[in-house]
Amino acid sequence: AQSVTQLGSHVSVSEGALVLLRCNYSSSVPPYLFWYVQYPNQGLQLLLKYTTGATLVKGINGFEAEFKKSETSFHLTKPSAHMSDAAEYFCAVGPSGSARQLTFGSGTQLTVLP
Amino acid sequence: DSGVTQTPKHLITATGQRVTLRCSPRSGDLSVYWYQQSLDQGLQFLIHYYNGEERAKGNILERFSAQQFPDLHSELNLSSLELGDSALYFCASSVATGQGQEQFFGPGTRLTVL
Repeated sequence: AQSVTQLGSHVSVSEGALVLLRCNYSSSVPPYLFWYVQYPNQGLQLLLKYTTGATLVKGINGFEAEFKKSETSFHLTKPSAHMSDAAEYFCAVGPSGSARQLTFGSGTQLTVLP
Repeated sequence: DSGVTQTPKHLITATGQRVTLRCSPRSGDLSVYWYQQSLDQGLQFLIHYYNGEERAKGNILERFSAQQFPDLHSELNLSSLELGDSALYFCASSVATGQGQEQFFGPGTRLTVL
């Protein structure tokens, strides 16, 4: 079975500071990894995904994530936070084998302070 | 805008009632997934349909059922509603069922059971 752990349910950063949201996964097969963002009262929007190939993945809005197999991690970063980045961020793993659904972490609420 | 539409946006009903949530996938997408988002359970996979056929079930209660119609829209039926069923219900779609395919999420239906 696959699982995802997001460390820190709430993260606060100052505008212009580095954003680092942590995600660790568990999977018995090579994982497919995703980061989604959810703005208030909206659905989930894909930020980036890792399938195969390059381990550093660039996404929208200046975000990127690095797949580290040895650490079973897929942390999300952004060099300089913007007020508009305030949202909830979800890390997800899957599909795998015959299962096609995504397994989500519990989410990290990002607050950007002026 | 992901291209996935869900109706209604909000639904308020009483315990014991039955409701139907509707989802229209993106044009050309054959797979439809339903997820439930609640404060205590997070984002949980409910059920997956592909081209009209049920492909996988997750943590879906027996009081809940779903179907995908020939025009590929899907409905999630929730019956004998309980207070604990109050949640945000998301529909997501993808082109097919290949591994690593991203899922596009609708804006969700917020269900409140009083």
